[in-house]
Amino acid sequence: DAKTTQPNSMESNEEEPVHLPCNHSTISGTDYIHWYRQLPSQGPEYVIHGLTSNVNNRMASLAIAEDRKSSTLILHRATLRDAAVYYCILRDVPGNQFYFGTGTSLTVIP
Amino acid sequence: DTGVSQNPRHKITKRGQNVTFRCDPISEHNRLYWYRQTLGQGPEFLTYFQNEAQLEKSRLLSDRFSAERPKGSFSTLEIQRTEQGDSAMYLCASSLTGRAYGYTFGSGTRLTVV
Repeated sequence: DAKTTQPNSMESNEEEPVHLPCNHSTISGTDYIHWYRQLPSQGPEYVIHGLTSNVNNRMASLAIAEDRKSSTLILHRATLRDAAVYYCILRDVPGNQFYFGTGTSLTVIP
Repeated sequence: DTGVSQNPRHKITKRGQNVTFRCDPISEHNRLYWYRQTLGQGPEFLTYFQNEAQLEKSRLLSDRFSAERPKGSFSTLEIQRTEQGDSAMYLCASSLTGRAYGYTFGSGTRLTVV
């Protein structure tokens, strides 16, 4: 299974943009890149996913490197509610289940 | 649709007792997953169903654990003869089939074995 590498923790000031990096150097051509986040005492929440092109939704943007070996989740204006653990995950074949790592714990400073 | 529902939210049990958790997925989702999460760790895959068929089980799923999904609707996860090491958050998720689809998770069941 292709694995991902993320920093253990990051900090951001409130209302500033946040760029959360993820390395996935062994990604296969058909793996989708998914991002989830988990707030304390809650289940993980879907954020965004993509295959090759950059993606935008109401929560965030996903920038995927041209060689697909890394990606960056972009929160355009961090709020206190964005403080969570962010997981970068590859959905592989044939199992189709997600393998979570330890993610990046984002702290948002007021 | 109200999303994925898990019951109970919290369960405290004595070591050696059996416990059962229930998960109600999003109705049109044919896949259902169980994960376990301990403090400071990401969720760990336990098992998943496509409709009523259990397609994969992790090595984490010892013979004390059993999961069912009768009629491809709700699912139950039973732990027999609980041990203190079973204390964790048990998460259920559902999805449509395919790599392009994400999961919708429930809020989990927090199990404490005393």
